Amino acid sequence: GNSVTQMEGPVTLSEEAFLTINCTYTATGYPSLFWYVQYPGEGLQLLLKATKADDKGSNKGFEATYRKETTSFHLEKGSVQVSDSAVYFCALSDQPGAGSYQLTFGKGTKLSVIP
Amino acid sequence: DGGITQSPKYLFRKEGQNVTLSCEQNLNHDAMYWYRQDPGQGLRLIYYSQIVNDFQKGDIAEGYSVSREKKESFPLTVTSAQKNPTAFYLCASSNLINNQPQHFGDGTRLSIL
Repeated sequence: GNSVTQMEGPVTLSEEAFLTINCTYTATGYPSLFWYVQYPGEGLQLLLKATKADDKGSNKGFEATYRKETTSFHLEKGSVQVSDSAVYFCALSDQPGAGSYQLTFGKGTKLSVIP
Repeated sequence: DGGITQSPKYLFRKEGQNVTLSCEQNLNHDAMYWYRQDPGQGLRLIYYSQIVNDFQKGDIAEGYSVSREKKESFPLTVTSAQKNPTAFYLCASSNLINNQPQHFGDGTRLSIL
């Protein structure tokens, strides 16, 4: 079956540090890939997505590139802020031709950014 | 503003009691989903529905039931058969168009008294 593996947290960084959160996946076919962010006590918000190999998703300074050859979708940001403190989830959709139902999530990586 | 509304934000259940979590969306999305979130476990799919009056079991449907009588509404009932119901429950919706993402509500935290 499908699976998503994220680097385990928690991750603690100083403000303006470089962020990488690793994500690798196993899937049949050609899934779409997503990063979601969850702030404390809230639901998930879509951060960025990529729908085919070599696509780069980007939003709010975050980027991730869909690497089919390494089955990876690592999240990066060049300079984190305290407001980026949250839990980040990598996810894949196994029905790219029919909508994004049946999302498979990683376990999440908690990021804390200190001033 | 369009969005997904979950209520209540906090809910308490007594042993042997059924409780119902509400989820309403005004995004005109065809599909709706229920997830359970436990610490360190990520999100697990309970049920989903792609059309009114139809729904399918997800990975952890045992002890839960749903209905989809209206496009906008997808309530989840946690029955007494669910022996470990304490969790954060998230509702989501999406269009059934290629690669459209799911949109999430703010969740309901269920606890056992």
